[in-house]
Order: sequence, then structure tokens, then C-alpha cells
Amino acid sequence: GAVVSQHPSWVICKSGTSVKIECRSLDFQATTMFWYRQFPKQSLMLMATSNEGSKATYEQGVEKDKFLINHASLTLSTLTVTSAHPEDSSFYICSARDSSGGAIEQYFGPGTRLTVT
Amino acid sequence: GDSVTQMEGPVTLSEEAFLTINCTYTATGYPSLFWYVQYPGEGLQLLLKATKADDKGSNKGFEATYRKETTSFHLEKGSVQVSDSAVYFCALSFNQAGTALIFGKGTTLSVSS
Repeated sequence: GAVVSQHPSWVICKSGTSVKIECRSLDFQATTMFWYRQFPKQSLMLMATSNEGSKATYEQGVEKDKFLINHASLTLSTLTVTSAHPEDSSFYICSARDSSGGAIEQYFGPGTRLTVT
Repeated sequence: GDSVTQMEGPVTLSEEAFLTINCTYTATGYPSLFWYVQYPGEGLQLLLKATKADDKGSNKGFEATYRKETTSFHLEKGSVQVSDSAVYFCALSFNQAGTALIFGKGTTLSVSS
């Protein structure tokens, strides 16, 4: 099946620093990738939709200058949390939708645990 | 707007018990419906899906039927195992490029031996 990887799987950073999270589709091309945030024991909250070669579309309430998204190729999207603060600590999950053949499934990465101290 | 509502957990069962996790949706149009599972410390995995009314998705002993008349997609398993302990998410999506999944809040299942 289709595989999506995320790197790093966990990261600890100091308040005020920036952290970049990578999301890769390993065996398929993804025109569109999605970034979600999951709080403990809660559902996934869509943060933004990442489109290859164009600007990301952010959900209401998500600061685009704080959560920078770049989708430079059909297999890679990155999320950079800028000037991180403890309230940004969370589990960040990406998903990718296979662009070929009209497939509807989204494949999820294993997630990145961010802890800001 | 479009939304998914699923029963609140946690659901606690003994091994070999019957499982039902209710899921209903509200949507304009005709979405595809999904169940995802998240095992402890892992990412989400697609468990099963259905793309149109009366479709039945099945996988690993789990089943769910797309009921348009009741806007439901309840997850069932006849005999749960300890290894089924996880968080289960019901979700919907439209078959359009760039459309994200809309998730329910998740239901935690705990199975004891």
C-alpha cells in the first residue's frame, strides 16, 4: 500500500526557535497534502491544505505566518513552526492523497510529536 | 456544514464481545465514508471505506454499511480481541481534488482479556 513518512517522529525544541517537519509520499505522487494537529485524546484538526506549486490554504484560526507550509514537489511537503511556544506542543500529522486514477483515500504519516520547552 | 458525529467513549469490552461504534454524518451531497484506526503511539490507518449508499466496507473482521436513509456508518465486529484496543475515527470526504477528511471526535476502545 501507499506509504507516507514524516520526519522527525519527535522533536523537542526551546521556546522561540523554529522547527521543520517533513512529509513525504514514498511510492506515489501527491498533488495535495494535508496537515492536521491532534491534541491529546482529541480528534484531528485540519490546519491547512498543501498544494504542489502553489500557496497552501489555511483553515480559519490557523496563523499562516506561524505555520509555514511548502509543497515544493509532488512527494514532499514541509511544515515549519516558527517561533515555537509551549502552546504549540502537539502531535502533527500529515496525509497525502494519491493523485492518480481518481483514488479517494488519504494516506497518513505516523505523526510528529513536538514538545516546546 | 458537513460533520461527523460518533459515539463518545471510552468503550470497554471483554475479549470476544460484540462491538458497535455508532457514527452518523451530515453532508450536502454524497460523500465517501471511512473508518480509521489509531493504535497507541502510531499514526492513522485506513480500516475500511464505502463510497456509495448500501456499500459495505470490511477489513480484519470489522464491517460498516453506508446507510443513506439514516446517514449512518456504524462500525461493527463480532468478536473483539485485545489487539483491537485503539482509537477509532469515523470520517467523510468528497471525491474532489484537494478535499480533506472531516473526522469525528474518535472513540477509544479498550478490550481486556
